[in-house]
Amino acid sequence: DGGITQSPKYLFRKEGQNVTLSCEQNLNHDAMYWYRQDPGQGLRLIYYSQIVNDFQKGDIAEGYSVSREKKESFPLTVTSAQKNPTAFYLCASSRTSGSSAYNEQFFGPGTRLTVL
Amino acid sequence: GENVEQHPSTLSVQEGDSAVIKCTYSDSASNYFPWYKQELGKRPQLIIDIRSNVGEKKDQRIAVTLNKTAKHFSLHITETQPEDSAVYFCAASNYGQNFVFGPGTRLSVLP
Repeated sequence: DGGITQSPKYLFRKEGQNVTLSCEQNLNHDAMYWYRQDPGQGLRLIYYSQIVNDFQKGDIAEGYSVSREKKESFPLTVTSAQKNPTAFYLCASSRTSGSSAYNEQFFGPGTRLTVL
Repeated sequence: GENVEQHPSTLSVQEGDSAVIKCTYSDSASNYFPWYKQELGKRPQLIIDIRSNVGEKKDQRIAVTLNKTAKHFSLHITETQPEDSAVYFCAASNYGQNFVFGPGTRLSVLP
């Protein structure tokens, strides 16, 4: 399954609490991504990082924060500012190398976050 | 930015029939088009991809075609089986970066 893991699998949070979702990969991939998936919906990009210590906002970054201190790790924090955080969160990674590369994304197993 | 549309949103076929899912993209710079299959509660997994220098690619019962001029690409599944039932996502990217996904197609293969 590609060596990308997410934890926990299920997460419950009370309103007003911040929570951090873990994503780790041992594929030596440069790029990592966070997506949100709502029931019956596609994948919406939250944040992505193409190199350590650098990351960019995706389409729905408000209420989320990330860090990329290590190549292997890209944790996502869902803050209390996120109005409707209940969703399935998917992390992905891919190689980025040169202009001639076409690199697929490998997905983690996902974390299902429920706000109580 | 890139925008990817996908049709139909749901598709039901009889076992053994073919299924076709179509996607269009807006950015002519996109040159890599993967298709992912996602079973209920699981992660998306790549099933086939195509690069812009190729018009068609086939892998057993699945094939993908690309029309760069019209900016659309399609997934074809022949001899469908119940285990093909899942949600399928298309995506477009530029050299495998900055993926934009379609909204997905829920395929049901009826026995």
